[in-house]
Amino acid sequence: EAGVTQFPSHSVIEKGQTVTLRCDPISGHDNLYWYRRVMGKEIKFLLHFVKESKQDESGMPNNRFLAERTGGTYSTLKVQPAELEDSGVYFCASSQVSVGGPTYEQYFGPGTRLTVT
Amino acid sequence: AQKVTQAQTEISVVEKEDVTLDCVYETRDTTYYLFWYKQPPSGELVFLIRRNSFDEQNEISGRYSWNFQKSTSSFNFTITASQVVDSAVYFCALSESPNFGNEKLTFGTGTRLTIIP
Repeated sequence: EAGVTQFPSHSVIEKGQTVTLRCDPISGHDNLYWYRRVMGKEIKFLLHFVKESKQDESGMPNNRFLAERTGGTYSTLKVQPAELEDSGVYFCASSQVSVGGPTYEQYFGPGTRLTVT
Repeated sequence: AQKVTQAQTEISVVEKEDVTLDCVYETRDTTYYLFWYKQPPSGELVFLIRRNSFDEQNEISGRYSWNFQKSTSSFNFTITASQVVDSAVYFCALSESPNFGNEKLTFGTGTRLTIIP
């Protein structure tokens, strides 16, 4: 079974440009999460989809970030326009939906390293 | 608000030594889950263990063991007879009140473990 995949693995862009990150979750996983790790700091939650619906956007830093999950399959995270502080590693994770039961573990992708210069 | 503290930023031990990675958490919830993830040099986060707040039994999996103590809000991870392949960054994480559609993880800053051959 394929794991969570992310594309690209590395992106270098200039301040002010636009970048779109993509995440393909594990097939059948309705939960999809985006996280970000800024250099040396903890991995922080950005947002959570259940299928195509945004359940929690509380971690999105500002309105320069737009996440979509059309059709409830893959997801994209667009940063427009990018700023220097957006540099970091963006992780995507997916999990099965639990209904009143135990939380399922999240499976993470390898991350996209974004460098804004 | 929830918080996870991994006070050890970096640890180096000689191969075959035992090593313990500390994790202390804060939460106001009575129902929560604790996790450990491993991030090898390849970058992806690999799930190691999930523990719910009602199960304080220690767990052992091969050379890995976990000590969960609610009285001290700790969830420590011990590697016995360490090997070079154990070299990685290890993250402790917390998920509060697992409700349908909201199981975001709060991570610690990670501990970089280096096993010296």
